[in-house]
Amino acid sequence: AQSVAQPEDQVNVAEGNPLTVKCTYSVSGNPYLFWYVQYPNRGLQFLLKYITGDNLVKGSYGFEAEFNKSQTSFHLKKPSALVSDSALYFCAVRLMNSGYSTLTFGKGTMLLVSP
Amino acid sequence: DSGVTQTPKHLITATGQRVTLRCSPRSGDLSVYWYQQSLDQGLQFLIQYYNGEERAKGNILERFSAQQFPDLHSELNLSSLELGDSALYFCASSAPRDLSSNYGYTFGSGTRLTVV
Repeated sequence: AQSVAQPEDQVNVAEGNPLTVKCTYSVSGNPYLFWYVQYPNRGLQFLLKYITGDNLVKGSYGFEAEFNKSQTSFHLKKPSALVSDSALYFCAVRLMNSGYSTLTFGKGTMLLVSP
Repeated sequence: DSGVTQTPKHLITATGQRVTLRCSPRSGDLSVYWYQQSLDQGLQFLIQYYNGEERAKGNILERFSAQQFPDLHSELNLSSLELGDSALYFCASSAPRDLSSNYGYTFGSGTRLTVV
């Protein structure tokens, strides 16, 4: 089945350290991949996307993600974490459903950045 | 403000009741998507409408239904409510090319439904 997976329920990192939030996908064809962030009591906000081209994608708030076709991964990264980055992060993949595309989300990874 | 408006923000109701959640998409967006977010199931796709017509169905229960009106706003109707229906319900919208060229979806802030 086509899907996206986030293997970690929670990631803990100290402020100033690099962070990685993992995502793997299983789709046929070329994947369209997205990262979204959800702050408490808010809707999901777009961070970045990979459609085609450069495997390293830069997004909002200093985040970037690396598309790795051989490992079917799209991990989210940031060189130096901030306490304000603490939030719930979702990886998503475009899936075709009866000829129309929808986004399917992973279960989410809670990122906690400690001061 | 994302441009997607959901009302109400909070809803508390009893088991067996029926509620209607409302969503106004971002200006110019033709597609509306409904998602259910719960602690155990994560973010589950329910249903998609495009310009008034149903386009895709996900894990939507038969007790749930939706529609999109000519002015493009959408309503999600939940009936015979059970305790397990308590969740955050999100609406998102997109323009036809957004999944290829833009931000994917724009999400509203959600409606938190509590069934007691």
